[in-house]
Amino acid sequence: EVQLVESGGGLVQPGGSLRLSCAASGFTFSSYTMNWVRQAPGKGLEWISYINTISANRWYADSVKGRFTISRDNAKNSLWLQMNSLRVEDTAVYYCVRDSHYAFDYWGQGTLVTVSS
Amino acid sequence: QSALTQPASVSGSPGQSITISCTGTSSDVGNSNVVSWYQQRPGKAPQLIIYEVSKRPSGVSNRFSGSKSGNTASLTISGLQAEDEADYYCCSFAFTNTWVFGGGTKLTVL
Repeated sequence: EVQLVESGGGLVQPGGSLRLSCAASGFTFSSYTMNWVRQAPGKGLEWISYINTISANRWYADSVKGRFTISRDNAKNSLWLQMNSLRVEDTAVYYCVRDSHYAFDYWGQGTLVTVSS
Repeated sequence: QSALTQPASVSGSPGQSITISCTGTSSDVGNSNVVSWYQQRPGKAPQLIIYEVSKRPSGVSNRFSGSKSGNTASLTISGLQAEDEADYYCCSFAFTNTWVFGGGTKLTVL
């Protein structure tokens, strides 16, 4: 069974940093590209970052470019999102998402990040 | 990276069919065969129901179907059931190596 388990969310002040983690199991992690997608409270979905299988290509939404960094370790079946210079508008549930055929086929349960003073 | 345009809400009675539209541009939906659709029930993570415009993942009911014409993709749900009540999101891969979602459509089963 495919499982994606996020952790690392919490309350952080504007300008602060947070590192989200995603532990993957139930599939060959090294064979799949991975993403982070977020959802602000009561709002829609927003794709924010992608990483390919060997970390050679990393793409970001304009809203997070230069502030967030995606990374992975295939030996540890893990995905991370380093978030710096956090803003109030980054408050959201962050989902770790596997993609296949450019569609997001498995989602974690999400971790809530709250940016507030 | 403007969001794709979806109606905020649609409704239908059990047994009826409904269609949700998703309008983008020639930079995304119009020139993309990788449009996907997601169902999200309250408090849950989204679930993939359509990929590559019209394909259904294993286990997804054949009551769900997708299509595309020009810059607009569509999701049709036939034989509406109470369990279909949820939010639905479209998504397209774009030329800028990004994905763009629609704003979401709330489906109410009357």
